[in-house]
Amino acid sequence: AQSVTQLDSQVPVFEEAPVELRCNYSSSVSVYLFWYVQYPNQGLQLLLKYLSGSTLVKGINGFEAEFNKSQTSFHLRKPSVHISDTAEYFCAVSETGGNKLTFGTGTQLKVEL
Amino acid sequence: DAGVIQSPRHEVTEMGQEVTLRCKPISGHNSLFWYRQTMMRGLELLIYFNNNVPIDDSGMPEDRFSAKMPNASFSTLKIQPSEPRDSAVYFCASSFQGGGNTEAFFGQGTRLTVV
Repeated sequence: AQSVTQLDSQVPVFEEAPVELRCNYSSSVSVYLFWYVQYPNQGLQLLLKYLSGSTLVKGINGFEAEFNKSQTSFHLRKPSVHISDTAEYFCAVSETGGNKLTFGTGTQLKVEL
Repeated sequence: DAGVIQSPRHEVTEMGQEVTLRCKPISGHNSLFWYRQTMMRGLELLIYFNNNVPIDDSGMPEDRFSAKMPNASFSTLKIQPSEPRDSAVYFCASSFQGGGNTEAFFGQGTRLTVV
């Protein structure tokens, strides 16, 4: 079984500042990793995913994440945030080749002027 | 494609009533998932289907919950009888399993309030 830990429940940041949202996972098998974003009253939308290959993954809206197998981490980063990035961000994991996602508890990113 | 379509968007019902949530997955997808989202427990996978067959229903809270997928384009999640603690947002998601692509597409959710 897999599990995901998002240690930060809320991250406040000023507009145009960089941000990092942390995600650590636990699994006894190889995994796929995902970041989803949820805007208020909306469903989840995929930001980016790591399946294999380069450990640095680029996604939509200027976000990127780096897979670190030794630290079992998949932190999400953006060099300069915008007000419109205010949302909840979920890290998720599945077994390689599987499609059952296990989600973290989410991190609320609040971008302030 | 219109994406994953869920209905209704909002449902308010009285305790003890039956509630049915509906989902139309993206055409061509062969996997369908039902999730529940609450403040206390976050996103929980309730059940998922592959090729219309339930594969894992270990997340279904109790016998009051049931899910069906009679064909590739329709699924229902039923709660009977409903209780206030079932109040949550219920999401349906679909994906195509095969070729290593496991991106799940989510519907906009059904916000259920049981009073």
